[in-house]
Amino acid sequence: NAGVTQTPKFQVLKTGQSMTLQCAQDMNHEYMSWYRQDPGMGLRLIHYSVGAGITDQGEVPNGYNVSRSTTEDFPLRLLSAAPSQTSVYFCASSYALGGNIQYFGAGTRLSVL
Amino acid sequence: AQSVTQLDSQVPVFEEAPVELRCNYSSSVSVYLFWYVQYPNQGLQLLLKYLSGSTLVKGINGFEAEFNKSQTSFHLRKPSVHISDTAEYFCAVTRDNFNKFYFGSGTKLNVKP
Repeated sequence: NAGVTQTPKFQVLKTGQSMTLQCAQDMNHEYMSWYRQDPGMGLRLIHYSVGAGITDQGEVPNGYNVSRSTTEDFPLRLLSAAPSQTSVYFCASSYALGGNIQYFGAGTRLSVL
Repeated sequence: AQSVTQLDSQVPVFEEAPVELRCNYSSSVSVYLFWYVQYPNQGLQLLLKYLSGSTLVKGINGFEAEFNKSQTSFHLRKPSVHISDTAEYFCAVTRDNFNKFYFGSGTKLNVKP
């Protein structure tokens, strides 16, 4: 029972570098989302997807890109990392209809120097 | 857009004492309400949820929450806390159209011996 798998668990980048945070789920969930967690600010939605080929912006999308080519995978791309993107990133998935439980990955701790 | 307010950023409490973590939401339409718990260096896990029916909802680990529509609140309670309940707790809301979550800023529960 893998659930939601995020890789890597930790990453250190230099300003300006690019990278992709991976997220995969094996529950056939339509809805997937990316959050960032910063102290005192809870979880803020970056991007979300309601199915393969469909993505939309959340509260804090600037500096991040996503795509959803399959139901299982929802990678998050940082095109040019900035220190303000230092955070813990969580991927979550659920069935699309409201009221369903969101299942979270273990998180990726990213530091941008 | 929805908003979720968790009034207390930190709640210190002694072991075996009761605790209440407060959550208020803003919405003019029906919502679904959730409490998630995050233990150190882990992802979020569901504690309980309210979809409809009885306004008193029981969750895991002895927690319960009461939905109060007139006060737009969904406070979390436990009659007797344990050291192992030390964690951060997040209130969240979604609507019935689809499963876009709005999270509060979190409450850190610190249980002291």
